Amino acid sequence: NAGVTQTPKFQVLKTGQSMTLQCAQDMNHEYMSWYRQDPGMGLRLIHYSVGAGITDQGEVPNGYNVSRSTTEDFPLRLLSAAPSQTSVYFCASRTPGGPNTEAFFGQGTRLTVV
Amino acid sequence: DQQVKQNSPSLSVQEGRISILNCDYTNSMFDYFLWYKKYPAEGPTFLISISSIKDKNEDGRFTVFLNKSAKHLSLHIVPSQPGDSAVYFCAASLVLWANSGNTPLVFGKGTRLSVIA
Repeated sequence: NAGVTQTPKFQVLKTGQSMTLQCAQDMNHEYMSWYRQDPGMGLRLIHYSVGAGITDQGEVPNGYNVSRSTTEDFPLRLLSAAPSQTSVYFCASRTPGGPNTEAFFGQGTRLTVV
Repeated sequence: DQQVKQNSPSLSVQEGRISILNCDYTNSMFDYFLWYKKYPAEGPTFLISISSIKDKNEDGRFTVFLNKSAKHLSLHIVPSQPGDSAVYFCAASLVLWANSGNTPLVFGKGTRLSVIA
């Protein structure tokens, strides 16, 4: 009963390093999204995808890239990490059936950029 | 500009009493609203939702009320239990294309609920 799986759970990066946060779901959901959670800021949308090959920007996309080559996977890439990207990152997926559906979240990746 | 607002960062309630968490939104096109609960070091989990065609939805101890004219919704938890202590997020979305589901969820900043035994 995997649901949405994020790896790694924790990561420390040096400024300027690059890395990819992985997200996989096994529920055949078409919609996938990346959010970041910062103290006092709630959950802010970074990028999202409505299906394989289709991505779009959310509220805070700068410094992040995404791609969606398969339905199951939606990796988030940090090209050149900055301390401002220190945050907890959540991946979410949503069922395609019908207009009103809830999103399922992964356990999160806590990223620290020093 | 925040589209979904939770103006109370925190709320303390005694066990057994009612907890009322409030949420306001600015985009009148939103037509689906959800509440999520989040424990520390875990991802948010879905709690309850309501469509804009309804004004109330109930699930056990949890009831969500929607007032479209006031662009306001609230979550009632009765009776409150210590295990309800968590951060609660209000979220909203709208139908983008008729057969393709909703836009990504837009979240408020959350309200930390503490239920005191």
